[in-house]
Amino acid sequence: AQSVSQHNHHVILSEAASLELGCNYSYGGTVNLFWYVQYPGQHLQLLLKYFSGDPLVKGIKGFEAEFIKSKFSFNLRKPSVQWSDTAEYFCAVGGKLIFGQGTELSVKP
Amino acid sequence: DARVTQTPRDKVTEMGQEVTMRCQPILGHNTVFWYRQTMKQGLELLAYFRNRAPLDDSGMPKDRFSAEMPDATLATLKIQPSEPRDSAVYFCASGPGQYTQYFGPGTRLTVL
Repeated sequence: AQSVSQHNHHVILSEAASLELGCNYSYGGTVNLFWYVQYPGQHLQLLLKYFSGDPLVKGIKGFEAEFIKSKFSFNLRKPSVQWSDTAEYFCAVGGKLIFGQGTELSVKP
Repeated sequence: DARVTQTPRDKVTEMGQEVTMRCQPILGHNTVFWYRQTMKQGLELLAYFRNRAPLDDSGMPKDRFSAEMPDATLATLKIQPSEPRDSAVYFCASGPGQYTQYFGPGTRLTVL
């Protein structure tokens, strides 16, 4: 079955801390991977995507993600978070997107 | 800055009433998706159109939900009759192809 698993339900960090959010997927077709962010009360915005090529993908707002095929993972990273990064983050796979359950990130000023 | 628009942004209705949500995809995008977001289930795909033709609506309760694209600038999602369990935020997304989607602001539906 196709699925996306985000291990962390809620992550709390202080400003300037490094971030890594886990995402593992199970998908039978061509792997297209995405990270979306949803700021409080807003719609989903695309952070970054991976279709092929360099497995290290850089997105907006200083985020990056690494596709590790052997681990079926696509973890999201940011070296130094800001209070404005407080949001919910969704990993997704496929064309008809299958979303993970989301990880709520709270950054303390 | 082209955006997906959705109306209404908020809708409160009573059980049994018909609800229609509208979406205007970004001009030139040929794929349209409807998603539902709840705390319990997260984000679920309800329906997917390409070039106005429905390709997949397997995520949608068929007895009460229907999705259409009367023309390239309008997608609709209808619930008739609505039930309290339909309360959720409904997102529309459009894309230039299957793999990149731009989301609208959502319609927050509350069924009393």
